[in-house]
Amino acid sequence: DSGVTQTPKHLITATGQRVTLRCSPRSGDLSVYWYQQSLDQGLQFLIQYYNGEERAKGNILERFSAQQFPDLHSELNLSSLELGDSALYFCASSVWGEGGVEQYFGPGTRLTVT
Amino acid sequence: ILNVEQSPQSLHVQEGDSTIFTCSFPSSNFYALHWYRWETAKSPEALFVMTLNGDEKKKGRISATLNTKEGYSYLYIKGSQPEDSATYLCAFISAGNQFYFGTGTSLTVIP
Repeated sequence: DSGVTQTPKHLITATGQRVTLRCSPRSGDLSVYWYQQSLDQGLQFLIQYYNGEERAKGNILERFSAQQFPDLHSELNLSSLELGDSALYFCASSVWGEGGVEQYFGPGTRLTVT
Repeated sequence: ILNVEQSPQSLHVQEGDSTIFTCSFPSSNFYALHWYRWETAKSPEALFVMTLNGDEKKKGRISATLNTKEGYSYLYIKGSQPEDSATYLCAFISAGNQFYFGTGTSLTVIP
């Protein structure tokens, strides 16, 4: 157990809908990262927040948005869902270790768009 | 699009064999290189964080080296055990703090 929690575990929804995925980082970790893992692709970095502020942006679609709240939990909002958005969505939180940033991944939310 | 490549894509070895995986990444704009172990139905777990050219890290039977000048890192597993079976991912972290993951090497250790 990494200490990072994600809800829900599974989500099934229809095309055109909007969903919100939630992530709670490990206690004390200020950074949250969101990743998408599709069947035909590896892990794709979406976005990073640090202490409520957007820190880095990856391959995040305009239909997707995220935020980090004062209690440091984060939400990833996916709207106008398409079949291709079906994927496993991970969040990770990080801490500075001996060698630099160490990431701890949550269990993921599996999104199925039908 | 930044390319992080891992080879081989998959590997089947006998218990006791040693293995080596390669991660290739751009040699510019480098900040760090991470290795992760990802077991089926679980989430990725950090193995090593490497930042300096020439870094060598070791954890039990697993070790890794880093060459930032030529853009590669090796992950070694000595005396593979069935419990080492997993996908091993590397991630290149740019100076802009963006993470780029390779597609992983899937290792199966046959008892």
